[in-house]
This record gives sequence, structure tokens and C-alpha cells, in this order.
Amino acid sequence: GQQVMQIPQYQHVQEGEDFTTYCNSSTTLSNIQWYKQRPGGHPVFLIQLVKSGEVKKQKRLTFQFGEAKKNSSLHITATQTTDVGTYFCLNSNSGYALNFGKGTSLLVTP
Amino acid sequence: AAGVIQSPRHLIKEKRETATLKCYPIPRHDTVYWYQQGPGQDPQFLISFYEKMQSDKGSIPDRFSAQQFSDYHSELNMSSLELGDSALYFCASSSSNSEAFFGQGTRLTVV
Repeated sequence: GQQVMQIPQYQHVQEGEDFTTYCNSSTTLSNIQWYKQRPGGHPVFLIQLVKSGEVKKQKRLTFQFGEAKKNSSLHITATQTTDVGTYFCLNSNSGYALNFGKGTSLLVTP
Repeated sequence: AAGVIQSPRHLIKEKRETATLKCYPIPRHDTVYWYQQGPGQDPQFLISFYEKMQSDKGSIPDRFSAQQFSDYHSELNMSSLELGDSALYFCASSSSNSEAFFGQGTRLTVV
């Protein structure tokens, strides 16, 4: 898949604050997949976005795919300590590399 | 439901030794990926297989090789191990463009 850039690289919030991470690509993406990796754990798939302007929600998590399909965001409302981990966005192209970028490491303090 | 199985979970080897890591993908998944993740680093793509054929190659050292067998399990062979090869090695599998499921990883320590 194509490489996407993600910002910020690190984010430290107080529990209850909101958090957003952004992914950007210079080219149009066929899809965006989001993964979460807890410290010491393995990446776990969260969601896939395919359609232009798509918005999907999972409880306190809201995922968006830009109209031009070149950017995506993950927003967490009212963070909890269980949200700690690194969030990765990437583009999937069947059979080819899933290229993980730096991701955004989220630290939530009580 | 069956997940991606990796073995062994932990492995300690000495420098210049060889290691073989095994991965058993989810049944009916057509793609297998291998990743290396050093401490504090993001997962680095090594190699992938689609229907048992190598489909993509990343930053895999020449000392490493991998293959996927007729039963779809995959092995990552690592020779002339170096201290810098100490890392967590993940295998993942997916079906077409669906999500990738990761195994729990093999932690390799080279001493």
C-alpha cells in the first residue's frame, strides 16, 4: 500500500480530554485502515474506510475519510486510560505491503 | 475463532546462530505478512506472500529468507544473527483487501 504521513507523532492528554490524529497522503487512496497497538501488544485492526467523505463511529471513536480520499482522521472523545497506545493509519493494497508509518502514540494520564 | 498463530513466542539465540520463526495464518486468508518491530519503533515490513507466492518485499536483510508452504503456513529464516536483530517479529494474515490480523509475535533476543 501507499505510504501515508501521520501527525502528531506523540500526544499526551489528561483523562477526559479529546484526542485527534491525522493521516495525509499526496495521492488518492483506495482505502484507509486504522490499527491500534497497545504497549507490548500486537497491532489490532480498528476500521477500514473506503468511500469518499465516509464517517464511521465506534463508541467514543470517530473515523473520517476525506472527500478527496487523501486524508483521514481518528477522533477520540473523552479519552480513557484504556485508550493508551499507538494508532496507525495505512493504505491496503491486496497482496502488497501494509506500510506502517510512525503512528501517533497516545498517553493518557488519570 | 482461530487467530494467527506464531511460534515460538520467545526465542533466545547467540550471535551468528540461525533462527526459524513460524506463522500459521487464519484459514482461507490468502496473504501473509512479516514485520520486525524494534523497541520503540513502528513495525517494519519485511516480506509478504499472496497465495504462497512472494508478493512484496520490504527492508528484509539478505541474511533473512521466508517462504510459504502448501498448507499456507509461513516460515521466516534468519541466519548469521546479529545483536541488532533482537526485536519482536509479527506475522499477519488477511484476505484480499480486508483487515490484517496479527499474531502475538515472536520476541527474538540475540545475545
